[in-house]
Amino acid sequence: AQRVTQPEKLLSVFKGAPVELKCNYSYSGSPELFWYVQYSRQRLQLLLRHISRESIKGFTADLNKGETSFHLKKPFAQEEDSAMYYCALKPDNFNKFYFGSGTKLNVKP
Amino acid sequence: DTAVSQTPKYLVTQMGNDKSIKCEQNLGHDTMYWYKQDSKKFLKIMFSYNNKELIINETVPNRFSPKSPDKAHLNLHINSLELGDSAVYFCASSQERLAGVLNEQFFGPGTRLTVL
Repeated sequence: AQRVTQPEKLLSVFKGAPVELKCNYSYSGSPELFWYVQYSRQRLQLLLRHISRESIKGFTADLNKGETSFHLKKPFAQEEDSAMYYCALKPDNFNKFYFGSGTKLNVKP
Repeated sequence: DTAVSQTPKYLVTQMGNDKSIKCEQNLGHDTMYWYKQDSKKFLKIMFSYNNKELIINETVPNRFSPKSPDKAHLNLHINSLELGDSAVYFCASSQERLAGVLNEQFFGPGTRLTVL
């Protein structure tokens, strides 16, 4: 079975502080991992994907197969980062996405 | 030039009614999905269609029936609406992986359904 776990429902940090949104997964194959973001009253949109190894809006995420984690990090949070963040897993042999329960990031001024 | 569109954006209705939500994508994708986002923001897949064929049908009451007239459309019909159906419903689309190209899901703006 595939499962994505985001242990934190709410994460509050002050502007300029580092932020880490946790994501752990369980999957026996080679999954593809994504982070999606949903700003207030907007649609979900892709933030980044592990295979691209890119930094988007200052966010990075590294796939750690040993710990089966894909934590999202940013060294200096900004108020505009406040949003819901979803970690998602796509199995390597099936076109289906499994989403975590989401973490609400609140960046305080 | 919206990629994935849904109508209506808001839907308020009485218990017991039947309603439909429409979804269209102009990205040329071959796979479309319906997700339900509950009040706790938990996002759960309901259905997935690939080339007009149902490939995923999660544990969803029979009152929910998806219909895909063509690859670009996936509509969601709900019979005998219940209070617990109140949620935001998101449509999404993606393309089966092409060689070297990683697919991603593109989401619609959501339809907020309120059942009174």
